This record gives sequence, C-alpha cells and structure tokens, in this order.
Amino acid sequence: NAGVTQTPKFQVLKTGQSMTLQCAQDMNHNSMYWYRQDPGMGLRLIYYSASEGTTDKGEVPNGYNVSRLNKREFSLRLESAAPSQTSVYFCASSEGWEPADTQYFGPGTRLTVL
Amino acid sequence: AQRVTQPEKLLSVFKGAPVELKCNYSYSGSPELFWYVQYSRQRLQLLLRHISRESIKGFTADLNKGETSFHLKKPFAQEEDSAMYYCALRGTGGFKTIFGAGTRLFVKA
Repeated sequence: NAGVTQTPKFQVLKTGQSMTLQCAQDMNHNSMYWYRQDPGMGLRLIYYSASEGTTDKGEVPNGYNVSRLNKREFSLRLESAAPSQTSVYFCASSEGWEPADTQYFGPGTRLTVL
Repeated sequence: AQRVTQPEKLLSVFKGAPVELKCNYSYSGSPELFWYVQYSRQRLQLLLRHISRESIKGFTADLNKGETSFHLKKPFAQEEDSAMYYCALRGTGGFKTIFGAGTRLFVKA
C-alpha cells in the first residue's frame, strides 16, 4: 500500500496563477483532510471531507476550494494564488470520523507563491 | 476556545538523558489526545494515542485532566528520537484535529 500520495512535491507559482494539488489514498478510508503547515503555527485544517460526496470548511478555508472526486481522491485548488499561501500542504485520511481515528498523512507539497 | 499549546519550540538533550515534551490543551469536553512525529524527510506519523495507553519507541504520555496536559516522556533519549513532535487534540465530531505548533527535539551524542 502506498498510503496517502500527493502530487506535486514542489511547486512555484506567480501571484494570481491557479493550480490544483492532488491527493489519493488506497486505504479505503472514508474521511480526508487538507492541512497547511506554517513555521511556528503547526498544522491548520483547510477543508475536510467526512465521506464521499461531502466537503466542509476547516479553520482556514479562504482562497481554497476542494473536490472529493471519489472515495480515493481529494483535491485542493487555489484559484488565484497569493504570497500568503506559501506553505507546505498536507493531505491526510482516516477510516472514519470518530475522535480516536488515526489520521494518516501524505508526504506534503511545498508551495511557493512569488 | 480550543487550543493546544506546546511551550517549547526547541528542546535539546544529551543521549541517555530523560526527555519531556510538554503539551497543554484547552477544550470544553473530553477530547482525544495524540502525539504525532515527523522525522527528517519523512511524513508526519502517529506516535501514540491517549486512548491506547501504549508505549511506542519508549515514549509514554499521560493525560492529566486536572492540569489539562498530555506531556510526552521518555526516560532515556536516543539520537534517532531527534524529530519534530506535534501534540494534537480531536474533539467530538472528530473532524477538526487541532495541532500544537510543535517542538523540535535534538538529541546530542
């Protein structure tokens, strides 16, 4: 099992450009998440998908959109990138939505917006 | 407000010394507490969960509801323990995991 995979690993954008970060999991998990990691701030939840067909905003959703394409895939889109979106983005999945469910993380995407 | 605080950004200890990474939380209810670890060039992974009451790689963490703390401890640090450690909280509803800012642990030879 590959677990949670993310593409691309690195990306440089100019302000105003758009892009989609891809995430896929092969663990048959129901719930998926997108986080951003900034120095000194830990991980902050951008959006999550409790189950296939549903998505909801997390702590910092502004400037992002998501699509739960199917049970395996959950993409994050930046419509008009801004320098404030320079960060490392992590996708994660969990079997369910119980508080005790472990989250499994992807390797991350390092995004720089110039 | 729901919050996880890790007061130390950096913790440096010698190999063989005891180590304690502090975590305090604020949550109105009974959350589940986790410790995640990120080794150099590796993805973030679960180290241990409060609910499992387990010891992983020699680490333990005790939930103190009175002090709202979930400190991570290891009696004898090893060089391979050097990593970034994140304390996390997950409440009812399960979806929103709140992470602390992280503590970078350096274990010196």
